[in-house]
Amino acid sequence: GENVEQHPSTLSVQEGDSAVIKCTYSDSASNYFPWYKQELGKGPQLIIDIRSNVGEKKDQRIAVTLNKTAKHFSLHITETQPEDSAVYFCAASSPGSARQLTFGSGTQLTVLP
Amino acid sequence: DSGVTQTPKHLITATGQRVTLRCSPRSGDLSVYWYQQSLDQGLQFLIQYYNGEERAKGNILERFSAQQFPDLHSELNLSSLELGDSALYFCASSSISGANVLTFGAGSRLTVL
Repeated sequence: GENVEQHPSTLSVQEGDSAVIKCTYSDSASNYFPWYKQELGKGPQLIIDIRSNVGEKKDQRIAVTLNKTAKHFSLHITETQPEDSAVYFCAASSPGSARQLTFGSGTQLTVLP
Repeated sequence: DSGVTQTPKHLITATGQRVTLRCSPRSGDLSVYWYQQSLDQGLQFLIQYYNGEERAKGNILERFSAQQFPDLHSELNLSSLELGDSALYFCASSSISGANVLTFGAGSRLTVL
């Protein structure tokens, strides 16, 4: 089955700086890569996703890049703000009857004021 | 509010007991997914239902079972509880079986003493 590795596990940045979180996946057939943000006491919330026919996608301060050859994808957050502090999960969709998501282990992002 | 409703929010019980977690998907969503989130293992896929039928199984223990009812709500039953079952249990829903875009509920926190 699919295996997703995520780094770093913790990341601290100064407010206004950029943050980058990286993930690698094992199944070359995976074709959907979402990123979820989980705030304390809440469920994961989809913030951006990318499909394998696209190399990069941007939504305001958030962007995701995908390198299918290397089987890795990254989340980039620019001009970080304290409210960006949360746990971020990457995931990959494994082809199959239900195409359920396999998640990375998460990155605790702390934005220091 | 994501539209996915989970009850109860918190549950404390003893080893050997049985509990039932309930999930109501977003209006119009036919597919329900259950995930377990523990401190050391991230988000682990347990099981998926689509319109009342089981579609995929992940790392779900034999002591656990689930079902989806005609009104599309789902229940996750956990029996013979062990200390290691303490975790957050999330329900997510999507509109169709093969859709990757999941909307998560706020979770049910289970503590087994």
